Amino acid sequence: AQTVTQSQPEMSVQEAETVTLSCTYDTSESDYYLFWYKQPPSRQMILVIRQEAYKQQNATENRFSVNFQKAAKSFSLKISDSQLGDAAMYFCAYRSRRSGNQFYFGTGTSLTVIP
Amino acid sequence: DAGVIQSPRHEVTEMGQEVTLRCKPISGHDYLFWYRQTMMRGLELLIYFNNNVPIDDSGMPEDRFSAKMPNASFSTLKIQPSEPRDSAVYFCASSLGTGEAFFGQGTRLTVV
Repeated sequence: AQTVTQSQPEMSVQEAETVTLSCTYDTSESDYYLFWYKQPPSRQMILVIRQEAYKQQNATENRFSVNFQKAAKSFSLKISDSQLGDAAMYFCAYRSRRSGNQFYFGTGTSLTVIP
Repeated sequence: DAGVIQSPRHEVTEMGQEVTLRCKPISGHDYLFWYRQTMMRGLELLIYFNNNVPIDDSGMPEDRFSAKMPNASFSTLKIQPSEPRDSAVYFCASSLGTGEAFFGQGTRLTVV
């Protein structure tokens, strides 16, 4: 089975600064999706950004961008100009593009934003 | 679409009682997932369905847990009898065959 590892249980960042959350994964497949989800205190799981493995260009969504290193099986999330509302638990997730596969989630990184 | 809808949002029950959690997936999605989230164990996949058929229920902790999907627009997760260690947030999510999962707001279950 695929595994997703988030080695940083907790991170903190000063408001307006930049922070990078790490994620590595293990797979023998070549075609898959990677995702970052945000879970604020409201507990709603919100999709932040997604990356398709066949795309070489790193995905970007406003202040959120990823550094996708396919050979290294690394998928980090960069948050620029951090805001108080970015404080949340962040989960990295993997899904094969083969139909029928489940999602594999990391254990999460708790991000604190310091005013 | 209103997104994935779960009910109830909160449930408090006494040990030994039956608990039923409900989920309405996004219309057109053919995959439905049930997850349990706790501080100790994180996010765990309990079971998932494809076209209303259970594909993998290996995450269901015990026979006390059962899940059904009688049609494409409704699924239930039942715990009978409930125990205090079942206290957690239960999420339902749906998706197409590829791409991201869309999560409901979760049900916080407390068994006293």
